[in-house]
Amino acid sequence: SAVISQKPSRDICQRGTSLTIQCQVDSQVTMMFWYRQQPGQSLTLIATANQGSEATYESGFVIDKFPISRPNLTFSTLTVSNMSPEDSSIYLCSVWQGANTGELFFGEGSRLTVL
Amino acid sequence: GDSVTQMEGPVTLSEEAFLTINCTYTATGYPSLFWYVQYPGEGLQLLLKATKADDKGSNKGFEATYRKETTSFHLEKGSVQVSDSAVYFCALSGGQAGTALIFGKGTTLSVSS
Repeated sequence: SAVISQKPSRDICQRGTSLTIQCQVDSQVTMMFWYRQQPGQSLTLIATANQGSEATYESGFVIDKFPISRPNLTFSTLTVSNMSPEDSSIYLCSVWQGANTGELFFGEGSRLTVL
Repeated sequence: GDSVTQMEGPVTLSEEAFLTINCTYTATGYPSLFWYVQYPGEGLQLLLKATKADDKGSNKGFEATYRKETTSFHLEKGSVQVSDSAVYFCALSGGQAGTALIFGKGTTLSVSS
């Protein structure tokens, strides 16, 4: 199984500021996925991050708002830029492990509250 | 596009009651289907999965059968416990291995003793 560490685990941020979330995996993976879970809601995919190429964003998410870096096969960052209260969510990093479909493992999440 | 529809919650049951949480999906191709669980204060973890039609996934007394004819993957447990109280998410993965999961809205289960 994959062990995924996210930092920070939680933070309280001021409107208009930006915050970078780090995701560290204990094994090399090709694709990493960033999800958002708004309060009481399901998980929504923000983007897929491949090492060595630009991230692929889902509809409704743009690079200027959620820039992603993927410098190597075990690490990625997601920045939430120019935050507003609507960005208050849990942000989760996830990776696949196992043959074929395997299992999608999730980090513990980063809970952001924007005031 | 692909989507997952889950029954609305919350679901409130007494201990030892029978549980069903309905999940239906819309997908092109042959998706894999998953149930994830999120216990209070914990991260999301896989409960069970099925990768092809008629497969039954099972774990911790929970079961779900991949029904292609009804595009369903309902979660069942014969006798729930207080410790089963959690949020349950149905999810699907497109036919290509390693693609992102699409999640349903989640169903909150509360079990009382």
